[in-house]
Amino acid sequence: KAGVTQTPRYLIKTRGQQVTLSCSPISGHRSVSWYQQTPGQGLQFLFEYFSETQRNKGNFPGRFSGRQFSNSRSEMNVSTLELGDSALYLCASRPTSKAYEQYFGPGTRLTVT
Amino acid sequence: DQQVKQNSPSLSVQEGRISILNCDYTNSMFDYFLWYKKYPAEGPTFLISISSIKDKNEDGRFTVFLNKSAKHLSLHIVPSQPGDSAVYFCAAHASPDSGGSNYKLTFGKGTLLTVNP
Repeated sequence: KAGVTQTPRYLIKTRGQQVTLSCSPISGHRSVSWYQQTPGQGLQFLFEYFSETQRNKGNFPGRFSGRQFSNSRSEMNVSTLELGDSALYLCASRPTSKAYEQYFGPGTRLTVT
Repeated sequence: DQQVKQNSPSLSVQEGRISILNCDYTNSMFDYFLWYKKYPAEGPTFLISISSIKDKNEDGRFTVFLNKSAKHLSLHIVPSQPGDSAVYFCAAHASPDSGGSNYKLTFGKGTLLTVNP
């Protein structure tokens, strides 16, 4: 099976712009979660989607949003980018049968200048 | 409030010796614990896990120990190999059955393991 894929891998944006990141889960996985990784904070949970519905959300401002499509692919959007949004954004999918084992993609490295 | 703590940012070990990575948690609702390994420019990969009903789980060179009363777990790698050099993340999960309200993983900040040849 192909792994979790994320596009683009690298992105440079200017403060105030918005960005959309894409994630394709492993085939058959219906749950997709997003995490932000920064050097000082480690991996922080953003949100989780299952069957096109957001089930959980972490402590991030409303500028961070997401959605999931009927084919389980997911997108994450960040509006009005700030310098502090520079991070590695990781997407993970998991099988329905296992609530805890998540399989991560390689991430999208976002740099905000 | 950091619920999962990895107090050692880095650890250096000689090849062939034992590597011990530690993790502490504060949330008693956590009922499943995982270790992930992360190489630069890659996403974390699942390594080993343990349920809160167990105190030990072994998989090849990797063993995870859980001490629920101390809210502490550790990952032992024996023998350590240079290819084990990576950042190791401890993660915890609270299922709805355990009183948790979501399926998210709570991660520690990671420990950089360097295995020297």
